[in-house]
Amino acid sequence: AQSVTQLGSHVSVSEGALVLLRCNYSSSVPPYLFWYVQYPNQGLQLLLKYTTGATLVKGINGFEAEFKKSETSFHLTKPSAHMSDAAEYFCAVSGGEEYGNKLVFGAGTILRVKS
Amino acid sequence: DAGVIQSPRHEVTEMGQEVTLRCKPISGHNSLFWYRQTMMRGLELLIYFNNNVPIDDSGMPEDRFSAKMPNASFSTLKIQPSEPRDSAVYFCASSADLSGTQYFGPGTRLTVL
Repeated sequence: AQSVTQLGSHVSVSEGALVLLRCNYSSSVPPYLFWYVQYPNQGLQLLLKYTTGATLVKGINGFEAEFKKSETSFHLTKPSAHMSDAAEYFCAVSGGEEYGNKLVFGAGTILRVKS
Repeated sequence: DAGVIQSPRHEVTEMGQEVTLRCKPISGHNSLFWYRQTMMRGLELLIYFNNNVPIDDSGMPEDRFSAKMPNASFSTLKIQPSEPRDSAVYFCASSADLSGTQYFGPGTRLTVL
């Protein structure tokens, strides 16, 4: 069984400040981990993913995430927030093809960026 | 490359009417997923297909909902009869790789009056 917990349904940061969105997962198999972003009235867009190899993953728009197996975490960070980062962010876990490529999503975190 | 295509983008209908949502996955992708998103329940997986075969429909809320995938390039989600509580944004996503990376369409916003 797999599950995802995103800590904080809403996060507010000032423009230029560090963005940290927290994600913890549970998985009975080596996980594949994802972050998606959803802008208002749009579909989900892949930000980054961890499959194997390097545990620090870089994505689009300056975001990165680090897979920490010992902490079962995959937190999303960005050094300096921009107004255009305001959106909802979803963390997801997959067991891969063995699990039918299903993604289990967290509840989402709405990021607000203050000017 | 074209992404996942969904139609219509917006649908307004009256209670009791049949609604059909359409999805064209990315060419070459062998898995297709239907999701529903609401404020109250968040993002819910309704059903998914591998190689055009339904694998898991446990998320389909009730018999009023049905989904088909007659070929690798087309899928439909039908609601008959529709009810106001079906109002939501419905997303289609497709996947091709072993890790399960999914690519989402823009969604169909359904309003049932």
